[in-house]
Amino acid sequence: AQSVAQPEDQVNVAEGNPLTVKCTYSVSGNPYLFWYVQYPNRGLQFLLKYITGDNLVKGSYGFEAEFNKSQTSFHLKKPSALVSDSALYFCAVRESFKTIFGAGTRLFVKA
Amino acid sequence: DGGITQSPKYLFRKEGQNVTLSCEQNLNHDAMYWYRQDPGQGLRLIYYSQIVNDFQKGDIAEGYSVSREKKESFPLTVTSAQKNPTAFYLCASAPEGRRFADTQYFGPGTRLTVL
Repeated sequence: AQSVAQPEDQVNVAEGNPLTVKCTYSVSGNPYLFWYVQYPNRGLQFLLKYITGDNLVKGSYGFEAEFNKSQTSFHLKKPSALVSDSALYFCAVRESFKTIFGAGTRLFVKA
Repeated sequence: DGGITQSPKYLFRKEGQNVTLSCEQNLNHDAMYWYRQDPGQGLRLIYYSQIVNDFQKGDIAEGYSVSREKKESFPLTVTSAQKNPTAFYLCASAPEGRRFADTQYFGPGTRLTVL
């Protein structure tokens, strides 16, 4: 069965510094990987996805993610964090007709 | 959240009562999904539907029921058989369920609390 792990419950970063939110995955075939963001009491918003091709995927709000097949990772990154980036981030992998979500990582960006 | 609406935003249920959560989409998507979100557990799939008049159980379907009579609507009923229904419920849709690369689009959620 496919799975996804987010090893950090929380990430703290100062505004203006680069941020990384980690994700590792386990799949039996070609991975379809996604990142979503959730603000308090809201639904999830799509940030980016990896399907095939270039290992560096660019998404919304200046976020990007690097697909690393040898390390089975799909870390989310941003060169310069904003206070408004503070939210809950979910990594997800597609398994057949279902999407498997990680437990989420809460990002705090301090001014 | 655009294109998918959920109502109500907050819902309170008494013990032994059935309640229905509404989900409507105007994106012309074939596939629709219901998830339950609990703190620290991510999202868990309750039911999904790839096409009108067809739906499948997800990982935690016990105590829940759904219908898909119209393409744009996928209501979820939380029955009295669901022993711990207090949670945040999210509805999502995707253009076509069989395309694994499709992005899911989420509604704003309904917070259900058992009194």
